[in-house]
Amino acid sequence: NAGVTQTPKFQVLKTGQSMTLQCAQDMNHEYMSWYRQDPGMGLRLIHYSVGAGITDQGEVPNGYNVSRSTTEDFPLRLLSAAPSQTSVYFCASSRGGVSGYTFGSGTRLTVV
Amino acid sequence: TQLLEQSPQFLSIQEGENLTVYCNSSSVFSSLQWYRQEPGEGPVLLVTVVTGGEVKKLKRLTFQFGDARKDSSLHITAAQPGDTGLYLCAGGINDYKLSFGAGTTVTVRA
Repeated sequence: NAGVTQTPKFQVLKTGQSMTLQCAQDMNHEYMSWYRQDPGMGLRLIHYSVGAGITDQGEVPNGYNVSRSTTEDFPLRLLSAAPSQTSVYFCASSRGGVSGYTFGSGTRLTVV
Repeated sequence: TQLLEQSPQFLSIQEGENLTVYCNSSSVFSSLQWYRQEPGEGPVLLVTVVTGGEVKKLKRLTFQFGDARKDSSLHITAAQPGDTGLYLCAGGINDYKLSFGAGTTVTVRA
């Protein structure tokens, strides 16, 4: 099983550009989340989804959009990239309960 | 502001020594999870604790959930270089929304 697959692994954007970070899981998990990880700040929740067609905001949603048209896919869109969005982004999925989240290997994004 | 406070932020010990990492909050959680993250990878779940006062053991790792379900600790006995990594605690208010601590970077020297 592939688990959670994130693409691309690395990306450099210019300020003002838009892009989509892709995330796909093959475990039929209902719950999916996007986190960003910055030095000394742990992981901060951007958006999450409890099922296809249902999304909600996390702690730091500004500047990001998500959609969940299928159980498998949960893309994250940066609308107009800013240097403050330079970070490592993780997608994760879970079936809930004590099973915890399975994380992808991350996308390292630099905005110049 | 972090909902979960982890301490210490950094920990460097010699192989064979013991260590404890703490995770504290003013909030009550329905469950608390511990993850370990290695450089360039995503976090990997170690354990989930759900009952106040619960103690779980995973080989040389012992996890404890506080009676009031607001805090937790991770104790490693006889640490090995393979235990090196970033340890993260995460609290769940419900099944799907986790808040993470800032993490403790553990280095075990051979």
